This record gives sequence, C-alpha cells and structure tokens, in this order.
Amino acid sequence: QKEVEQDPGPLSVPEGAIVSLNCTYSNSAFQYFMWYRQYSRKGPELLMYTYSSGNKEDGRFTAQVDKSSKYISLFIRDSQPSDSATYLCAMTYVGAGGYNKLIFGAGTRLAVHP
Amino acid sequence: GAVVSQHPSRVICKSGTSVKIECRSLDFQATTMFWYRQFPKQSLMLMATSNEGSKATYEQGVEKDKFLINHASLTLSTLTVTSAHPEDSSFYICSARDPGPSTDTQYFGPGTRLTVL
Repeated sequence: QKEVEQDPGPLSVPEGAIVSLNCTYSNSAFQYFMWYRQYSRKGPELLMYTYSSGNKEDGRFTAQVDKSSKYISLFIRDSQPSDSATYLCAMTYVGAGGYNKLIFGAGTRLAVHP
Repeated sequence: GAVVSQHPSRVICKSGTSVKIECRSLDFQATTMFWYRQFPKQSLMLMATSNEGSKATYEQGVEKDKFLINHASLTLSTLTVTSAHPEDSSFYICSARDPGPSTDTQYFGPGTRLTVL
C-alpha cells in the first residue's frame, strides 16, 4: 500500500463545474499538506498548503484536511479551461537531517472543457 | 513568490556522455535543494537532498556515483548524470526549500527533459 493514494483520473468536467480532488494517506506523522498544479512539461506550482484539520480558502480554491480520517481534498469552484492540468497532493515528513521532505500522490489529470 | 530556475530546459545526448543540470534559487537563499525525477504520467520521485556545503543525501535505490550532486552556494545546486543511458531519459525537476516564518515549503523549477539516445 502506498503512503499517499490519489486517483490518477483523468477527470473531465464542463466549464463552471465544481471539481473535487482527493487524497488519502496512511502515515499519521505527516505534518504539512499541500496541493500542487503541474501543467504539461512544466514543474509543479504550489497552490495551497495547510497544517491543521479544517478548511482553507484562496479565491476559487478550497483545501480541506481531515486528519482523523487521513483524507485531504481540493475543491475548485467555477472551473475554467485554464485549470486543466495535473493536480498533485503532497505531504511533508521529517527526513534524515531534521528537515521536511515531500511525498507526492500520483496526481489527478483534470480537463475542463468549454 | 519564490522563483527557481533550471538550465537547460531540454537536452538530448548520446549514450555514455555526461549531462549537467543547474538549479538556481533566484530571490532567496536555499540551504536545501531537492532533486526529483518524473517519468511520463507518473508522480515525482525524490532522488536526493542537496545541502549547501555538505554531501547530498540519496534516496534508497538512487546511485550516488551516477547522479552527482554539488551544492556549492546558497543559490545553486547541480545534478550531473554521468555516463547516461537511455533508461535515464526522464524529466528532472529541482526544488528549493524556503524556510519561511510559518511554512517549510518547496518551490519547484520548470524541469529539465533529458533524452538519451
């Protein structure tokens, strides 16, 4: 079993739809929870990060963490064709040397069609 | 936001040659940088952690003699793929850790696509 599970999709939605992306994890030692967006042939771009359970909103994006269920979500409201990308969840753990390392989910490919 | 650059963005080389990839943090000092590899339609896999002024720490299964990492300054880390072979063809991405006041996040470069013929 992988430490971070994420449905790879692809997920196809019409423009304006609400998108829900999810990850589950097994390691309760994970500290920070992040969502990255990666366009084709580009490096990941940090969208949101959270630490505690609950919701965090930034524009059209809402990140949700439920530590008791080991479940995180990213919601995208009023989705746009420009949101079409791969969305990667990531979690930090303390590696050797005492600094945080990232472990990524497989990434969900999202396509928003006009 | 923090900006990380990589050079080159794309490289094609013959089997047996060595290739150097540079990773720079442009607007902050990064004592720690990370190197990842990403195969098509797969997620990022951490290869090694690069610390300024000390030896890199490699993840299990990554050959340190094949993937040489040098982090000589607070803004530059290099990854050299030595004696590259076709199976080394991949998308290599670096990130730089920005230990801000309340977060400990990584900012990623745009990636380098390596093709070994």
